[in-house]
Amino acid sequence: DTGVSQNPRHKITKRGQNVTFRCDPISEHNRLYWYRQTLGQGPEFLTYFQNEAQLEKSRLLSDRFSAERPKGSFSTLEIQRTEQGDSAMYLCASSIGQVYDQPQHFGDGTRLSIL
Amino acid sequence: AQTVTQSQPEMSVQEAETVTLSCTYDTSESDYYLFWYKQPPSRQMILVIRQEAYKQQNATENRFSVNFQKAAKSFSLKISDSQLGDAAMYFCAYRSYEGNYGGATNKLIFGTGTLLAVQP
Repeated sequence: DTGVSQNPRHKITKRGQNVTFRCDPISEHNRLYWYRQTLGQGPEFLTYFQNEAQLEKSRLLSDRFSAERPKGSFSTLEIQRTEQGDSAMYLCASSIGQVYDQPQHFGDGTRLSIL
Repeated sequence: AQTVTQSQPEMSVQEAETVTLSCTYDTSESDYYLFWYKQPPSRQMILVIRQEAYKQQNATENRFSVNFQKAAKSFSLKISDSQLGDAAMYFCAYRSYEGNYGGATNKLIFGTGTLLAVQP
């Protein structure tokens, strides 16, 4: 079990630029989640995949955000035309689906800073 | 919609002492899960303990135990024999039970967290 891996750990970019984050879940986990955590707050749900299918998107996920999980393995989260309010920690988590009561395992997160 | 409230932004405990972190939640569902996650500074979130709502017995994991009061919608975490390594942000989280089946989401709903300091 190598854990959930996220890259990059930190991303600094100018307002208006596009950014992409990657998440590699634990290998046998078919469920993958993205959360956003701002300073002093708990993580907020963004989107959820079961295998390659995106089954739920939060209203927090504006049209500038898109997530993919093309082969049901790793996932990418892209933010287009970044804004100051996008500055946050983006967390990825994975779990085994269709198995009773399996917890989500989190990665270290990608911290995004918008200049 | 479900909500989770942690009313203690910060707590402090002496090493080897016991501390209790509070959490309340609101839901109209009868079956669900509750979790406590620990997030050390600049490190990943890890699961501390979980509770199934249909179980009356409070969950226990070594020095960590919960007091689950379903009618009061309260879910507190007790840390016994506190250690320096327990210092972290602690989040209470809720998950719907229905997420176990089919394509329903298993999303976690988190509180705002309690920052626990452990004094040597």
